[in-house]
Amino acid sequence: AQKITQTQPGMFVQEKEAVTLDCTYDTSDPSYGLFWYKQPSSGEMIFLIYQGSYDQQNATEGRYSLNFQKARKSANLVISASQLGDSAMYFCAMRSEIQGAQKLVFGQGTRLTINP
Amino acid sequence: DSGVTQTPKHLITATGQRVTLRCSPRSGDLSVYWYQQSLDQGLQFLIQYYNGEERAKGNILERFSAQQFPDLHSELNLSSLELGDSALYFCASSEIQGADTEAFFGQGTRLTVV
Repeated sequence: AQKITQTQPGMFVQEKEAVTLDCTYDTSDPSYGLFWYKQPSSGEMIFLIYQGSYDQQNATEGRYSLNFQKARKSANLVISASQLGDSAMYFCAMRSEIQGAQKLVFGQGTRLTINP
Repeated sequence: DSGVTQTPKHLITATGQRVTLRCSPRSGDLSVYWYQQSLDQGLQFLIQYYNGEERAKGNILERFSAQQFPDLHSELNLSSLELGDSALYFCASSEIQGADTEAFFGQGTRLTVV
């Protein structure tokens, strides 16, 4: 069964510093995708970045990058130059396809607080 | 704006009642997913539809059902509601099947059962 583990319930970072949010996953599927979502206090789920299991390079999207280490089954999110607006819950998720069906499995989330 | 539209945004109803949550996927997306986010269970996958057909079931109660219509919009029906059904219900959509496609979420419907 697929499982996502986020070991940091909460993190506090000074504005403008870089922050790494940890995510490890467990799956036996040969093909899968890894996602990070941001959930601000307003509740919506905002897609941040995606990494495919066969992608050779780490994904980057603006200030977000994904440190993908396949052998270690980790997919950490790195936010560079953090901003006050980055304060939110962050979820790591994995999707795999089995016999034409697919679903996202989420971790428990990390609450990131950016201090001025 | 993700392009996924969910209505209503908020819903307050009494125990024992039945409600319908609606989701319109992004234009061109054939897959629709429903998720439940509660404080104690986190984000849980409920069900997936692809082009009108059910494709995967997760932790969906028998009191809950869903369908996807020919125009690809989807509805999640929750019946005999209990206090524990209070949660944020998300719909997501993606373009095609396969693990390497993105899933965009709607803003969610916050259901409160009193």
